[in-house]
Amino acid sequence: EAQVTQNPRYLITVTGKKLTVTCSQNMNHEYMSWYRQDPGLGLRQIYYSMNVEVTDKGDVPEGYKVSRKEKRNFPLILESPSPNQTSLYFCASSSAGTGSIFQQYFGPGTRLTVT
Amino acid sequence: GEDVEQSLFLSVREGDSSVINCTYTDSSSTYLYWYKQEPGAGLQLLTYIFSNMDMKQDQRLTVLLNKKDKHLSLRIADTQTGDSAIYFCAEDLTGGGNKLTFGTGTQLKVEL
Repeated sequence: EAQVTQNPRYLITVTGKKLTVTCSQNMNHEYMSWYRQDPGLGLRQIYYSMNVEVTDKGDVPEGYKVSRKEKRNFPLILESPSPNQTSLYFCASSSAGTGSIFQQYFGPGTRLTVT
Repeated sequence: GEDVEQSLFLSVREGDSSVINCTYTDSSSTYLYWYKQEPGAGLQLLTYIFSNMDMKQDQRLTVLLNKKDKHLSLRIADTQTGDSAIYFCAEDLTGGGNKLTFGTGTQLKVEL
């Protein structure tokens, strides 16, 4: 089954304790992206990757890191989480290119609470 | 700016039509999208429209695009309880598939 998986689905942590949210897709997609969803703000892009070893900042990259060492995996790293990073996080992937419809496939989400 | 705006809530009765509106800011967007987010799940692509079209119909869904006013709408005919979800419009600003800008989302509640 074609899918995007994220782990963990739920995480409660404390300020300053490094954490990683994993994302994996089995569709051989080049493009992957991380979003955060906050009430009244919709989805905001954190980072995206056009392919292996190619990553770039989205709209709200501060406090986050990513890496793309393999095509299927795109982990999101919070080196020193803070309460304002409490949010619902989504990973997405796509194979779209220039001029094509851009259908992103989303993971189920990771609800992160930082106390 | 790149704000894509939607009203936050919409409540309709089962069987009625729902109209969800979206105002976007960049007239050069190639495609405009509607995504659906069911409770506890990620977003799924519902439908899309190419920027040179005015209307697209897909079963119970009708998408209208007014490029002059930068207004996009999604009409759901014969709304069912299973349509209760958050609906996001999104625009592809780059045309290259590397950035979608999402609206704030409209929560649709369907009442019996």
